[in-house]
Amino acid sequence: GNSVTQMEGPVTLSEEAFLTINCTYTATGYPSLFWYVQYPGEGLQLLLKATKADDKGSNKGFEATYRKETTSFHLEKGSVQVSDSAVYFCALLNQAGTALIFGKGTTLSVSS
Amino acid sequence: NAGVTQTPKFQVLKTGQSMTLQCAQDMNHNSMYWYRQDPGMGLRLIYYSASEGTTDKGEVPNGYNVSRLNKREFSLRLESAAPSQTSVYFCASIRQGSGDNVLTFGAGSRLTVL
Repeated sequence: GNSVTQMEGPVTLSEEAFLTINCTYTATGYPSLFWYVQYPGEGLQLLLKATKADDKGSNKGFEATYRKETTSFHLEKGSVQVSDSAVYFCALLNQAGTALIFGKGTTLSVSS
Repeated sequence: NAGVTQTPKFQVLKTGQSMTLQCAQDMNHNSMYWYRQDPGMGLRLIYYSASEGTTDKGEVPNGYNVSRLNKREFSLRLESAAPSQTSVYFCASIRQGSGDNVLTFGAGSRLTVL
């Protein structure tokens, strides 16, 4: 079946540090891949997405590239800010579009 | 404002009580979902409705029922609440087939069962 595995947190960084949050997936066919972010006390918001192999999603300085050969969709940011502190979820939408599966989430804490 | 609206935002129940979480979206989305979020577990799908008139079980359906009342509304019912159902519940919707495939979430409903 389909599944998403992301690195466990918490991830603690200083402001302006480089961020990587690993995400790998298992799926049949050609799923779409997403990163969602959840700020404290709020619902989930789409951060970025990629719908086919080698696509790069980007938003707010975050990037992730859909790598079919390694079944990965790692999230990166070159210089994090305190305001990036949140929980980040990697997610997969199956090819049929009927099931959106989330990883367990990675908590990021950025200090000044 | 367009989006997904959930009510109530907070609820405390005693074991055995029943309640319904309401969800409505005004984006003309055809598919709607209920998730629960627990520490260290991420989001787990309870039930979903691919279109008006259809519902299907997700990963953790036991103890819940759902109703897709119309295209806009998708409710989640706990018939006899248990402490294990203490969680934050999120409703979400998506327009399948639009090519967009982005799930829009409500703000969440925090439920505590004593």
